[in-house]
Amino acid sequence: AQKITQTQPGMFVQEKEAVTLDCTYDTSDPSYGLFWYKQPSSGEMIFLIYQGSYDQQNATEGRYSLNFQKARKSANLVISASQLGDSAMYFCAMREGQAGGSYIPTFGRGTSLIVHP
Amino acid sequence: NAGVTQTPKFQVLKTGQSMTLQCAQDMNHNSMYWYRQDPGMGLRLIYYSASEGTTDKGEVPNGYNVSRLNKREFSLRLESAAPSQTSVYFCASSGTLNYEQYFGPGTRLTVT
Repeated sequence: AQKITQTQPGMFVQEKEAVTLDCTYDTSDPSYGLFWYKQPSSGEMIFLIYQGSYDQQNATEGRYSLNFQKARKSANLVISASQLGDSAMYFCAMREGQAGGSYIPTFGRGTSLIVHP
Repeated sequence: NAGVTQTPKFQVLKTGQSMTLQCAQDMNHNSMYWYRQDPGMGLRLIYYSASEGTTDKGEVPNGYNVSRLNKREFSLRLESAAPSQTSVYFCASSGTLNYEQYFGPGTRLTVT
């Protein structure tokens, strides 16, 4: 079974609108973390946001926020006020294991986001 | 700071040839990783090194070897390249107490 599932292969959004990219995960480890990365067409991987399993509040970083629903095992990325530069592949990833140690992250297959002017 | 650097950026090999992909980080991170990215597959972990002197297999280690030369450098070797190893290879690093990974720019490898 996949540990990270991104069910939307492609998403389209109008510039300045908000968009939600879905991510569900599967783990039995009580200590885990969830990440989102952006990969523009130039190819580099850019870290966006992180949520730990014990964090009480949803993570936010500028226009990015993570809608973390632990009971549903979902960690959706919300991008507010989309910009043309947000067009990219977005990957959800999970680390399992104790904080402070090395961890092996697992990546989802990604969602392609296209922002229309 | 350069962050994570990888060489080369592009490489074409013939089946059976060998090569080494180089990776270096200047962030004093303990952990380093090698991934491959294929269309529609996301990133898959090949090998990782939790700290200097240790290496472990990831999800897809067959056909690859690694060396953690020192804390800064982590190389990936293809001993006998096969067309199935055509992919984009990413090196990444992370600090022990930091959670996010920092990625290099990638190496696009084609095996004919």
